[in-house]
Amino acid sequence: AQSVAQPEDQVNVAEGNPLTVKCTYSVSGNPYLFWYVQYPNRGLQFLLKYITGDNLVKGSYGFEAEFNKSQTSFHLKKPSALVSDSALYFCAVRPTGGFQKLVFGTGTRLLVSP
Amino acid sequence: GAVVSQHPSRVICKSGTSVKIECRSLDFQATTMFWYRQFPKQSLMLMATSNEGSKATYEQGVEKDKFLINHASLTLSTLTVTSAHPEDSSFYICSASIASDREYYGYTFGSGTRLTVV
Repeated sequence: AQSVAQPEDQVNVAEGNPLTVKCTYSVSGNPYLFWYVQYPNRGLQFLLKYITGDNLVKGSYGFEAEFNKSQTSFHLKKPSALVSDSALYFCAVRPTGGFQKLVFGTGTRLLVSP
Repeated sequence: GAVVSQHPSRVICKSGTSVKIECRSLDFQATTMFWYRQFPKQSLMLMATSNEGSKATYEQGVEKDKFLINHASLTLSTLTVTSAHPEDSSFYICSASIASDREYYGYTFGSGTRLTVV
């Protein structure tokens, strides 16, 4: 069965500093990996996805993530954090084939201080 | 881009009544839709997967008679919470899987519905 781990409940970073939100996964076969962001009382907004190809994926709002197959990781990164990046971030995985469900991590709250 | 419209955004209902939540795909056909429930400060829990024109597939532990899902068309799925009780109060989010080949791997989420049962 597939699973996703986000080991940090919360990440604190100062504005302008680089940020990393960690994600590791377990799935049979090749994974499809996703990052979503959620603001209070809102649905999820898509940031980026890895399907195949280049291990470094660039997404919305300056975020990027690196797929590392050997470490089964897909950490989310941004070179310079903004206060407005403060939100809840979810990593998700699904196996290949068909319209299969996403499995979400437990989420990481990012707090960017001015 | 693909947009999913979810209504209502907030609803307060009395215990024992039923509440319907709608999820519409606005500019694409959603062959498959997913319904999630999110408790405060927790992750999303998949409740069920619905495919247009067929019965929904419920996750283990989810009461199908309580959470009725209808996916009658490629653009509309509904979740009805029947005989709601305070413990059903939660944030419900729908998600649509995009049917076109180009976006085969895409998932788009609604903005969520905050249900409060009093």
